[in-house]
Amino acid sequence: DAGVIQSPRHEVTEMGQEVTLRCKPISGHNSLFWYRQTMMRGLELLIYFNNNVPIDDSGMPEDRFSAKMPNASFSTLKIQPSEPRDSAVYFCASRGDLRLFFGSGTQLSVL
Amino acid sequence: DAKTTQPTSMDCAEGRAANLPCNHSTISGNEYVYWYRQIHSQGPQYIIHGLKNNETNEMASLIITEDRKSSTLILPHATLRDTAVYYCIVSQYNFNKFYFGSGTKLNVKP
Repeated sequence: DAGVIQSPRHEVTEMGQEVTLRCKPISGHNSLFWYRQTMMRGLELLIYFNNNVPIDDSGMPEDRFSAKMPNASFSTLKIQPSEPRDSAVYFCASRGDLRLFFGSGTQLSVL
Repeated sequence: DAKTTQPTSMDCAEGRAANLPCNHSTISGNEYVYWYRQIHSQGPQYIIHGLKNNETNEMASLIITEDRKSSTLILPHATLRDTAVYYCIVSQYNFNKFYFGSGTKLNVKP
């Protein structure tokens, strides 16, 4: 099993640009989570899906952030327009067997 | 929104047992105690979880008090590679509101 796969590993963009982060959960897992990590705020839960349906998006910071899960094997987190304060590491996780499995994260830098 | 309290940092000598405490006094009867760790900037890594009974796996042991208001993660023989931030989390089985707190920075020293 390849684990949770995130892409890209690193993203550098300019303020105002659209950013799309991608996640492929572990096959057979039916829940997917997006987290953001910064030095100031630690690991924050942004949104999670169950059976491709968003269950709780109360952690999404503002309307510039959106997440989709069109099928069981793919999810995206989009930021439009991006701002410097969005710079962080974004993690995706999927749930199976009473455990969360995390990807390696996407390091986002917005200049 | 984390419902756990952990010390900010701890030191441990290499080869000795590392005992990491966690307070979760408001835990509900159907909530599990989970432990994860994060090494540098890698994704958090699952260590162990439990509901009421003590648990042991190849990585660690989890001791939960009888009233379930606190727990201790035990790394029996800490190595330098165990230097990481350790997070204690309480959550229902559906992982709704799976929040990370500040964690404990464990420094394993030679």
